Amino acid sequence: DTEVTQTPKHLVMGMTNKKSLKCEQHMGHRAMYWYKQKAKKPPELMFVYSYEKLSINESVPSRFSPECPNSSLLNLHLHALQPEDSALYLCASSHGQGVNQPQHFGDGTRLSIL
Amino acid sequence: AQSVAQPEDQVNVAEGNPLTVKCTYSVSGNPYLFWYVQYPNRGLQFLLKYITGDNLVKGSYGFEAEFNKSQTSFHLKKPSALVSDSALYFCAVRDQTTINNNDMRFGAGTRLTVKP
Repeated sequence: DTEVTQTPKHLVMGMTNKKSLKCEQHMGHRAMYWYKQKAKKPPELMFVYSYEKLSINESVPSRFSPECPNSSLLNLHLHALQPEDSALYLCASSHGQGVNQPQHFGDGTRLSIL
Repeated sequence: AQSVAQPEDQVNVAEGNPLTVKCTYSVSGNPYLFWYVQYPNRGLQFLLKYITGDNLVKGSYGFEAEFNKSQTSFHLKKPSALVSDSALYFCAVRDQTTINNNDMRFGAGTRLTVKP
């Protein structure tokens, strides 16, 4: 079992739908991340939150909108996605933004855009 | 900017034999190196890290990695492979000069297959 919980595990949506991905951790970590991973590829960083503030946005299209309601929760709001957005979306957390801190990953949400 | 390379897309070993998954890195400052493993339909699991100190780092599930500064390498090793070690392995690096952000760079990944 992972200590970072992501819901839902699978999501199928049309290009006009609005949906949200959720991530939760109770390890007291203050940095949380969203990654996108295509099949057989490494994760690509999308967003970083540090102490509930957005610290990095890797030039992600505005159809992806992150939100950090509190230190344990991280959401990714989706709207008007494209077929190429189909991927595994991974959430991760770490104690802080220190370079020596490993990231702990959830099992991801597999997203399919019709 | 930092980068990491995993020169092998695929590594095949027989169960019980030693395994090595290769990783080389490029950084401006001191490197902070990590290995992660990903099983099918799962997220990445942290295996081990090198920050400073002993060049041989021991991690989870019997894995270890050797930091070699002169060769800028951080190869993952295990003395005796198990079929259950079959998975996708990612090397990752952070650069000391990026201490104010979370720019972790992952390698392309190496698929390890351990055959009975």
